Amino acid sequence: GAGVSQSPRYKVAKRGQDVALRCDPISGHVSLFWYQQALGQGPEFLTYFQNEAQLDKSGLPSDRFFAERPEGSVSTLKIQRTQQEDSAVYLCASSFGLQAPYEQYFGPGTRLTVT
Amino acid sequence: AQKITQTQPGMFVQEKEAVTLDCTYDTSDQSYGLFWYKQPSSGEMIFLIYQGSYDEQNATEGRYSLNFQKARKSANLVISASQLGDSAMYFCAMRGSGGYQKVTFGTGTKLQVIP
Repeated sequence: GAGVSQSPRYKVAKRGQDVALRCDPISGHVSLFWYQQALGQGPEFLTYFQNEAQLDKSGLPSDRFFAERPEGSVSTLKIQRTQQEDSAVYLCASSFGLQAPYEQYFGPGTRLTVT
Repeated sequence: AQKITQTQPGMFVQEKEAVTLDCTYDTSDQSYGLFWYKQPSSGEMIFLIYQGSYDEQNATEGRYSLNFQKARKSANLVISASQLGDSAMYFCAMRGSGGYQKVTFGTGTKLQVIP
């Protein structure tokens, strides 16, 4: 079966532009996560969905970041008025989510460069 | 709050030798899960192995084993018979109790396998 897919794989945005990053999780996976990974660092948690409910958005760095998963499948991470510090790889992960170990399966990421 | 510490920024190992990557963690949860992920230069995070806090035996998956020492709060990854394809970043990660699935990652260890 298909893994987690993300699009676009690369995005260059001018400072101040809005961007939308898409994640298609593995079919049937209840849980979906967004992470931000800066160069040379580990992924940092942004937000978490269980089905369509956003259960935790404590990692979103500012109110310019918004995520949604309206039908409990595909998710979109939107960044408004991008800043240079938003440049990073954005990783999406999904998990079956109904029983341990809750391991997460990651997509290839979207590399965002803000110029 | 949960914290993962990986103190080895980089490691070298000779092909066919075993290598241990260190990970210590801190949590106030009684129930938690520990993961190791591999991130090759292509960027995708690959799930390797999982250890639950109540599992009495150390987890093993093929050439990977997790040396879990609960009292010392350590969860070291052991890779036996290293292969050139093992060269990658390795991340230790932790999930909290119950169904709450937010995962905290360490800063990673870059492993290079020498022919």
